[in-house]
Amino acid sequence: AQSVTQLDSQVPVFEEAPVELRCNYSSSVSVYLFWYVQYPNQGLQLLLKYLSGSTLVESINGFEAEFNKSQTSFHLRKPSVHISDTAEYFCAVSDYGSGNTGKLIFGQGTTLQVKP
Amino acid sequence: GAVVSQHPSRVICKSGTSVKIECRSLDFQATTMFWYRQFPKKSLMLMATSNEGSKATYEQGVEKDKFLINHASLTLSTLTVTSAHPEDSSFYICSARGTDSNQPQHFGDGTRLSIL
Repeated sequence: AQSVTQLDSQVPVFEEAPVELRCNYSSSVSVYLFWYVQYPNQGLQLLLKYLSGSTLVESINGFEAEFNKSQTSFHLRKPSVHISDTAEYFCAVSDYGSGNTGKLIFGQGTTLQVKP
Repeated sequence: GAVVSQHPSRVICKSGTSVKIECRSLDFQATTMFWYRQFPKKSLMLMATSNEGSKATYEQGVEKDKFLINHASLTLSTLTVTSAHPEDSSFYICSARGTDSNQPQHFGDGTRLSIL
């Protein structure tokens, strides 16, 4: 079974400052890793994913995440945040391979609050 | 990108009413759909996994007679909350995935269900 821990429930940060949202996972099998963003009263939007290959993955709006297998982490970073980045961020894992279910296991979520 | 439409976005009804929520994949064939429930300030809890043409697989603790799931076509899955009560009030979100089980899930915008 897999589990995901997001270490910070809330992260307040000033506009244009850098931010890191932490995510650690545990699994007995190989996993895919995801970050989703949720704006108020909306569903989830895929921000970025790690499936294989380069351990550093980037999104189109400046976020990046690095898969660290030895530390079982997939932290999300952005060098300079905007007010519009204020949202709930969820880290998730899913198993893969033959017979996998593709179920997503979510972390508890981190609220990113960007202040002017 | 892939689009998943969820309807209605919000519903308010009296206790004892049954409520149906639809989840449609608009531009791809969704072999598998997932139904989640999200409580305020909480993460998403997977309720069930639905594969087209077969019975849904429910997570432990989810009442299958209470939450009826039908996935009759490759573009439509429905969740019916039967005889809803105030404790069923929540934010319900569906997601859909294509034929490749390693593809990411695409989420609907959710349904806010309020039972009076």
